[in-house]
Amino acid sequence: DGGITQSPKYLFRKEGQNVTLSCEQNLNHDAMYWYRQDPGQGLRLIYYSQIVNDFQKGDIAEGYSVSREKKESFPLTVTSAQKNPTAFYLCASSISSETQYFGPGTRLLVL
Amino acid sequence: AQSVTQLGSHVSVSEGALVLLRCNYSSSVPPYLFWYVQYPNQGLQLLLKYTTGATLVKGINGFEAEFKKSETSFHLTKPSAHMSDAAEYFCAVGGFKAAGNKLTFGGGTRVLVKP
Repeated sequence: DGGITQSPKYLFRKEGQNVTLSCEQNLNHDAMYWYRQDPGQGLRLIYYSQIVNDFQKGDIAEGYSVSREKKESFPLTVTSAQKNPTAFYLCASSISSETQYFGPGTRLLVL
Repeated sequence: AQSVTQLGSHVSVSEGALVLLRCNYSSSVPPYLFWYVQYPNQGLQLLLKYTTGATLVKGINGFEAEFKKSETSFHLTKPSAHMSDAAEYFCAVGGFKAAGNKLTFGGGTRVLVKP
């Protein structure tokens, strides 16, 4: 059945390490988004992509990178430059300017 | 630029009582407005949305919201709270193609339901 999947559910990062979070959708949506959620805060936009091979920075892009080589995939890399990566990361997709549909999230923890 | 303010980071209601979550927005153009619910360690689920047309919008789980342009508000209500309504609720504004269809979220309101 259709939906958005994120993996892994939990991810541990060592200091100085780059890690990649997976986001896949089979909804045939053009646009995809990455958000970061910290306790007691709303969601903040990291990167978004409206079409394959194109993406734009969101409000907090520093220390993160993305790619959009396929319509259904939008992986997020948390680089060693991100000094405070511990958070809950949510991926979303949409077909138009209306509803964004969210995946189940990945919780990133630092060892 | 748009912004969203949710009044009250925590709300406590008794089971069977009215649930009222407040959301005010700022937007330079007619907005699309959304309410999402998040259960612990899960993603966000759409409760309801306003795009155009009728200003009273009904959503899932008995929730509804009313768009009031003059008050720049989109408050969420449910007549009778159920234990399963305990969750965090987010109001969001979006619908701007020129801005990449991004959503701007409020800080969230955590609802506690007392038996």
